Amino acid sequence: GNSVTQMEGPVTLSEEAFLTINCTYTATGYPSLFWYVQYPGEGLQLLLKATKADDKGSNKGFEATYRKETTSFHLEKGSVQVSDSAVYFCALSPQGGTSYGKLTFGQGTILTVHP
Amino acid sequence: GAVVSQHPSRVICKSGTSVKIECRSLDFQATTMFWYRQFPKQSLMLMATSNEGSKATYEQGVEKDKFLINHASLTLSTLTVTSAHPEDSSFYICSAREAPDRANTEAFFGQGTRLTVV
Repeated sequence: GNSVTQMEGPVTLSEEAFLTINCTYTATGYPSLFWYVQYPGEGLQLLLKATKADDKGSNKGFEATYRKETTSFHLEKGSVQVSDSAVYFCALSPQGGTSYGKLTFGQGTILTVHP
Repeated sequence: GAVVSQHPSRVICKSGTSVKIECRSLDFQATTMFWYRQFPKQSLMLMATSNEGSKATYEQGVEKDKFLINHASLTLSTLTVTSAHPEDSSFYICSAREAPDRANTEAFFGQGTRLTVV
């Protein structure tokens, strides 16, 4: 079956530091890959996504590249802000078909950014 | 992007009562909606897939008689937690996928419902 593994947190950084959150996956075929962010007490917001190998998803300064050869989708940001403090989830979904949108999530990584 | 509204955002109920949570797609039609459960400081676990006009598909280990799902229209799915117990306290999140199903259409999430059973 499908699975997603994220680096364990929590991750604590100072403002303007570089961020990497590792994500690797196991899936049949070619899944779509996502990063979601969850702020305290809220639901999930899509941060970025990639649907095929070598695609780079980007949003709000965050980037992740779909690496099929290493089955990875690591999240990076060059300079984090206090407002980036949240829980980040890596997820995958089968491409197309009736199962599309049925997400398998990683365990989540708590990020705390200090001023 | 598309908007999914979940209601209520928070609910407290007494043990033994039932609670209904609504998930609505506000500006698109959704043939498929998904219900997830999130335990404190843990990831989201898919509970069931809700299909408009047909029975929901439950994941292994999820009690279908306890978590009743109804998807009566293309814009509304409901999750009813029956005879709730304190162990059912959790954060429930729905997501909806736009219809007709197209490759690479994403699922949009509601804001979640915090259920506390006392």
